[in-house]
This record gives sequence, C-alpha cells and structure tokens, in this order.
Amino acid sequence: TQLLEQSPQFLSIQEGENLTVYCNSSSVFSSLQWYRQEPGEGPVLLVTVVTGGEVKKLKRLTFQFGDARKDSSLHITAAQPGDTGLYLCARGSTGGFKTIFGAGTRLFVKA
Amino acid sequence: NAGVTQTPKFQVLKTGQSMTLQCAQDMNHEYMSWYRQDPGMGLRLIHYSVGAGITDQGEVPNGYNVSRSTTEDFPLRLLSAAPSQTSVYFCASRPGQGAGYGYTFGSGTRLTVV
Repeated sequence: TQLLEQSPQFLSIQEGENLTVYCNSSSVFSSLQWYRQEPGEGPVLLVTVVTGGEVKKLKRLTFQFGDARKDSSLHITAAQPGDTGLYLCARGSTGGFKTIFGAGTRLFVKA
Repeated sequence: NAGVTQTPKFQVLKTGQSMTLQCAQDMNHEYMSWYRQDPGMGLRLIHYSVGAGITDQGEVPNGYNVSRSTTEDFPLRLLSAAPSQTSVYFCASRPGQGAGYGYTFGSGTRLTVV
C-alpha cells in the first residue's frame, strides 16, 4: 500500500516551544508535500520536497525529506498561536496521477 | 484571481435526493480532483481528471459521478444521497503531473445528509 502515517495525531503546546511532526511510509515516494489547513478552509501548500536528504526552510518551519525517501519531518521553532492548524503530508501515487494524503497532525499552540 | 471556487458552502439534503457540487478554477490547471474529509481520516480521493474529457476514479468513488467538459469546471454529482456521504468536500487543482506541483484547494462544501 501507499499509505502515509502521520504522528502525533494531536499536539498541544505553549507559545515559544519547539515541535516536530512526522510523516512515514512503508514505500519509497518520489516527492512529498506538506499542507496546513485552518478551520473552515481548504489546505494550503507549504512546501514540496523531491530529493532524498533535502531540507527546506520557510521562516520558522523546517522541512526534511529522509535519505531513503520513505519519511519526512516538519519542525517548528518557537511556535506561535498562528501556527495552530491541521498539518497534512501528501505524496503522489505510482504513475503520479493521484495524490494521497495522510490523516494529519492537529496542532494547537496556546498563548 | 479567484483560484478554486466551490459552491455552495453549506448544504443539507434528505436521503435519496441528488445534487451537484460546483467547482471552477481560473488558473488553466490541467489536473482537478475531488476529496472528502472526515474526522480522523484525512482527505480521501473521490474522482480526478487529468484534462478536459478525461476522468477516473479515486479511492472512494461509489455514489458519485463527475464530468469535465471544460478545463475550468469539474462538478461532482451525488446520485442518491445517503447519510454516509455527510462530509466536507474539497475540490483542488494543479498545473500538471510533475512531482513539484502542489494542489490549490477550494474552501470546501459542508454537506449534511439527513
């Protein structure tokens, strides 16, 4: 299967703390995307990673693609209440026509 | 630039009724998809299209039909609504098949079937 497993499912932290969320698969994937979804809205693309070992930074967010291209992580430094939301990872299926999403990590940052 | 527009935002249907969820994009994207989102299950692919006139089934296609007569529009039809179809539905589009292309999502349609 090409399932994506995200962990943790839920995370509640204080403002200023650091956190890491994970996205894992049993099979290799060619690329992986991270999205953030706020209540009542559709997901918004944050980043796409395509090369094993790749690291991308988006302000306080750091995305890493595992060397074996079976896993990815998202690290947030000094979390803020505005980071609250559902973080989803997504990968293309074999052939590239379908995009499969993980169930997401719901993050709540308390002021 | 509107991006992906979905209508309606909210809908309540009775079991057995049919309806069409509308989706339009103004970015000239080739790929369009419909997903449903249920608590704890993430986004599940219903149907997708790789261009005008071409559609295919996703993970959970039963009870839904789609068509793609133009690049811009990709409506989703519920043939005979069932309570199991209560969900939030998202339409999304992307420029093409390449690994670097991410989806642009609409803001969703919240559907309740009673």
